[in-house]
Amino acid sequence: DTGVSQDPRHKITKRGQNVTFRCDPISEHNRLYWYRQTLGQGPEFLTYFQNEAQLEKSRLLSDRFSAERPKGSFSTLEIQRTEQGDSAMYLCASSLGDRNLYEQYFGPGTRLTVT
Amino acid sequence: KQEVTQIPAALSVPEGENLVLNCSFTDSAIYNLQWFRQDPGKGLTSLLLIQSSQREQTSGRLNASLDKSSGRSTLYIAASQPGDSATYLCAVRRSSNTGKLIFGQGTTLQVKP
Repeated sequence: DTGVSQDPRHKITKRGQNVTFRCDPISEHNRLYWYRQTLGQGPEFLTYFQNEAQLEKSRLLSDRFSAERPKGSFSTLEIQRTEQGDSAMYLCASSLGDRNLYEQYFGPGTRLTVT
Repeated sequence: KQEVTQIPAALSVPEGENLVLNCSFTDSAIYNLQWFRQDPGKGLTSLLLIQSSQREQTSGRLNASLDKSSGRSTLYIAASQPGDSATYLCAVRRSSNTGKLIFGQGTTLQVKP
């Protein structure tokens, strides 16, 4: 396994711009998760996919946020009309399902700074 | 509503000391609990996962225990090393039907040489 990868690792954008992040899960992992982490806090759940189906969304995921996993492999998280409060680390994780008790493996994260 | 608390928020110990990190959760109806390590500016590394039916899990110098009825878990680190310096996070999962992990705020550990 090459691990969960995320791209870009860092993104600086101006308020009001749209940004898109990509996550590639561990191969054969059918579940993929997105979390957001602000400084000094634990990660907060945003959404998760089983294969291509988005099964759960947090209330944190406002209508400016959209996530997709079109072919059940990689996923994208888009934030439209970014706000300074969106500045955070966006973490992606994947898991295999019940075979490994849904243990989640995290990627390195994408650090977003909105100026 | 499930809440996860980790105390202390920060801990500094001399190298070689054995230490215990604490995690408590308000709702005992959990599916599993996971301990993670996070280095500054990095993602999370999974350390141990304990199923709700288990009492403890061990990996090398790490031992995690779970007392579901009292809503507590501990992470025991034996013979601490400077390389153990990091933030340690615990997270609980309510059921197999949810993807959501609920995290504590973490304990930042510094092991001094």
